[in-house]
Amino acid sequence: QVTLKESGPVLVKPTETVTLTCTVSGFSLSNGMMGVSWIRQPPGKALEWLAHIFSNDEKSYSTSLWSRLTISQDTSKSQVVLTMTNMDPVDTGTYYCTRIRALTGSYFYWFDPWGQGTLVTVSS
Amino acid sequence: DIQMTQSPSSLSASVGDRVTITCRASQSISMYLNWYQQKPGKAPKVLIYAASSLQSGVPSRFSGSGSGTDFTLTISSLQPEDFATYSCQQSYSTPYTFGQGTKLEIK
Repeated sequence: QVTLKESGPVLVKPTETVTLTCTVSGFSLSNGMMGVSWIRQPPGKALEWLAHIFSNDEKSYSTSLWSRLTISQDTSKSQVVLTMTNMDPVDTGTYYCTRIRALTGSYFYWFDPWGQGTLVTVSS
Repeated sequence: DIQMTQSPSSLSASVGDRVTITCRASQSISMYLNWYQQKPGKAPKVLIYAASSLQSGVPSRFSGSGSGTDFTLTISSLQPEDFATYSCQQSYSTPYTFGQGTKLEIK
């Protein structure tokens, strides 16, 4: 059974850096073209894709947030880590990690399954 | 970035109704379009990938169609557990982007 679980601070202050960890089980980050994405959702608002990383260490970032984000992986720990700098109250929301699925031999990607999410509140 | 626009933003319907939600991309994305269902306080769940492929375990009353810029999600006969928010997402190019969501409520 594939599962992902997010962890990190519940409350951060403006201008601080937040580090979120996604621990996966049921699949290996180092096998084939496995990938993990981070996606967030402010309260009552739409989903926003943040970044992804694949097993070959290919990375990609949100256009609007790329300067504040760093994604990395530790395959020995089955973890994907997202760091976001200079946090602001508008960054408040639930942060999800999700496995990237792909149709065999194609670039048709989708997100499945998702972690339960972790709520991060930015406030002084 | 590719913009995804859903319509309507909200929808009231009754159990047994046939419902259609539309998603439009700001440029052609071929069939790189996925649909997700999200219930309050829960993570999204994929329903349809590659525009029309039904995810394993998803009831057959859900179907997707379209290509290029215009896509639809259809629920053939609404069930009580289908009242949720539905979002489309393009995987044609990064940054992957989502629609704003369609909230499906009970009439």
